[in-house]
Amino acid sequence: GQQLNQSPQSMFIQEGEDVSMNCTSSSIFNTWLWYKQDPGEGPVLLIALYKAGELTSNGRLTAQFGITRKDSFLNISASIPSDVGIYFCAGQLRLFGNEKLTFGTGTRLTIIP
Amino acid sequence: GAGVSQSPSNKVTEKGKDVELRCDPISGHTALYWYRQRLGQGLEFLIYFQGNSAPDKSGLPSDRFSAERTGESVSTLTIQRTQQEDSAVYLCASSSWVENTEAFFGQGTRLTVV
Repeated sequence: GQQLNQSPQSMFIQEGEDVSMNCTSSSIFNTWLWYKQDPGEGPVLLIALYKAGELTSNGRLTAQFGITRKDSFLNISASIPSDVGIYFCAGQLRLFGNEKLTFGTGTRLTIIP
Repeated sequence: GAGVSQSPSNKVTEKGKDVELRCDPISGHTALYWYRQRLGQGLEFLIYFQGNSAPDKSGLPSDRFSAERTGESVSTLTIQRTQQEDSAVYLCASSSWVENTEAFFGQGTRLTVV
């Protein structure tokens, strides 16, 4: 099935650094979502975006819905150890209800001691 | 319930056997989704329910895979004649169309076919 292009695939950073990751699609979506997955757990929703150009923050996390509706960005400022995990973007085309989510390939974040 | 519940959490089965995976969505959520996640991979869409109907089952990999939902609640994903390539974590999520909520995921069922 289709998966969105997400980059980078992995990141190795030091605690306190800022992190940026992005997601691109060949088709448009009217909803972009960012999830975080810890080992052995299901993905947990971090941020939801509903409008092209929208910039939304949730604590140290900031995400943007690209103007073309084909991309989205997630930034994490001043990273801490609990930020370690895999981050997934997901696009959704909501027309008549909550249609399926199409996920990105994931970005694995590791913090170097 | 408070969240999406999946059972069993782990399942080991012999190749060729049938398995049933269960998902209990958040109470009142009309939409229910099944995804598959292979080790180290992203989430692969399988099927989506709106109520008891499946408007999109395009992700089911073969006719060995089927799913049903009853009472706009519990869903069962059935895999017949399991193969080793079916080994993965199967994740279920639910959302509310009426309340326009986002999708919340369960912890998944880890299926190992030996």
